[in-house]
Amino acid sequence: AQSVAQPEDQVNVAEGNPLTVKCTYSVSGNPYLFWYVQYPNRGLQFLLKYITGDNLVKGSYGFEAEFNKSQTSFHLKKPSALVSDSALYFCAVSPPDYYSGAGSYQLTFGKGTKLSVIP
Amino acid sequence: DAGVIQSPRHEVTEMGQEVTLRCKPISGHDYLFWYRQTMMRGLELLIYFNNNVPIDDSGMPEDRFSAKMPNASFSTLKIQPSEPRDSAVYFCASSLAGRVSYEQYFGPGTRLTVT
Repeated sequence: AQSVAQPEDQVNVAEGNPLTVKCTYSVSGNPYLFWYVQYPNRGLQFLLKYITGDNLVKGSYGFEAEFNKSQTSFHLKKPSALVSDSALYFCAVSPPDYYSGAGSYQLTFGKGTKLSVIP
Repeated sequence: DAGVIQSPRHEVTEMGQEVTLRCKPISGHDYLFWYRQTMMRGLELLIYFNNNVPIDDSGMPEDRFSAKMPNASFSTLKIQPSEPRDSAVYFCASSLAGRVSYEQYFGPGTRLTVT
C-alpha cells in the first residue's frame, strides 16, 4: 500500500524568504505525485502534479516541486513567500494502475503541513 | 462553472439520528469521491464512483455509512445512526478521467457535529 509522510506539522517562514514544505512517499512502481492547498474553511485546491518528465514541476501561485526518485521525495518550494501563502498544504500520491500503468484515482494524502508566513 | 457543490455546509445532530450529506459534482466529470477529514486521522478516502458506479468503498468505516450516486449530477453520503465519533468535515471531490488529469476538484465541505 502507498503512503505519504509530511514530517513537519508546521513551517514558519518570514515573508520574502524561500519556503520548503517536505514530503516523502512510498509506493510500488512509478508514482503520481500531487500537492494541494487548503485555506481555512475551504476545500482542497490543486497546486501541481508530477506524472512523468522533468523532475522540477511548476504549478499555481509561483509554487514548484522537485521529484527525487532516489530519495522518494517531492518537496514543495517557492522562492519568495507571501503572507497569503499561509495555509495547510497536503502532499498526495497515486500508485500506477495495475492494468494500464496510468495513474490510479485513489489519492493517498499526507497529514498536512501548516505553513505560516510571518510579515 | 460553480465548482463542486455540497450541502449542507454545517450540520449539527444528535447521536442516533440519520444524517444525509449531498454533493453535486462539476458537470462532465465522471469520477466522484467522498473524503472525511479529522484532526486525528487527516484526510481519508471513504468511497469513490466512476460513471455513477461505486468502485471502491473499502474506506467506509462501517455499515452505518452508505453512499449512492443515482445520476451523474448528484451523490449522497448517509450515516445511520450517527455517533459522536462521526464528527468531522466531509468533502466531496470530482475529477475527469484521462491520462493527464487526475486533478481532483474539492467542494467546500460539510462540517458535521454529532452530539
